[in-house]
Amino acid sequence: ETGVTQSPTHLIKTRGQQVTLRCSSQSGHNTVSWYQQALGQGPQFIFQYYREEENGRGNFPPRFSGLQFPNYSSELNVNALELDDSALYLCASSLEGLTEAFFGQGTRLTVV
Amino acid sequence: QKEVEQDPGPLSVPEGAIVSLNCTYSNSAFQYFMWYRQYSRKGPELLMYTYSSGNKEDGRFTAQVDKSSKYISLFIRDSQPSDSATYLCAMDSARQLTFGSGTQLTVLP
Repeated sequence: ETGVTQSPTHLIKTRGQQVTLRCSSQSGHNTVSWYQQALGQGPQFIFQYYREEENGRGNFPPRFSGLQFPNYSSELNVNALELDDSALYLCASSLEGLTEAFFGQGTRLTVV
Repeated sequence: QKEVEQDPGPLSVPEGAIVSLNCTYSNSAFQYFMWYRQYSRKGPELLMYTYSSGNKEDGRFTAQVDKSSKYISLFIRDSQPSDSATYLCAMDSARQLTFGSGTQLTVLP
């Protein structure tokens, strides 16, 4: 059984640029959620995808968008990057209807 | 007021001590309660998962939920230096997890 994997592990972008982060869910898991974790804070829910559709969204602007593919992997896209977008971005996979979520190691994004 | 409050610490204890980590919450809609452990520069790792009020034990870890007081705790017995990490409480409502800010724990050899 493979765990949740995210790529890349680190990324540096310039303010105003766009970024795409990728996540492969744990084997058999059909639901993917994305979280943003600022330094010294707990993760904050961005959105969740199930059956390739957004299935819940936190308090994040529309420039945060995502996709889920038929193999349940997912992408997080952020447009018009701002300095405050610098954070650890976490992907979590789970089975629909079950609460237990398993996280990847995260992508550390730095916006300069 | 945040929905989930957690003492950020840092908390430093000697090896072998009993550690108590706590969170309070304000949202009565929370139904599931979890504790995650996060090592530096890593993703959170699920430790314990509970639903009802009461205690749940797993090895050296005990999770306690008091829904009437909106209070949850994680106890670590016989703490080890390898337990040094940030501990995050998390609560589930409508398919999304709401996290506390985390408590940084150091267990000194």
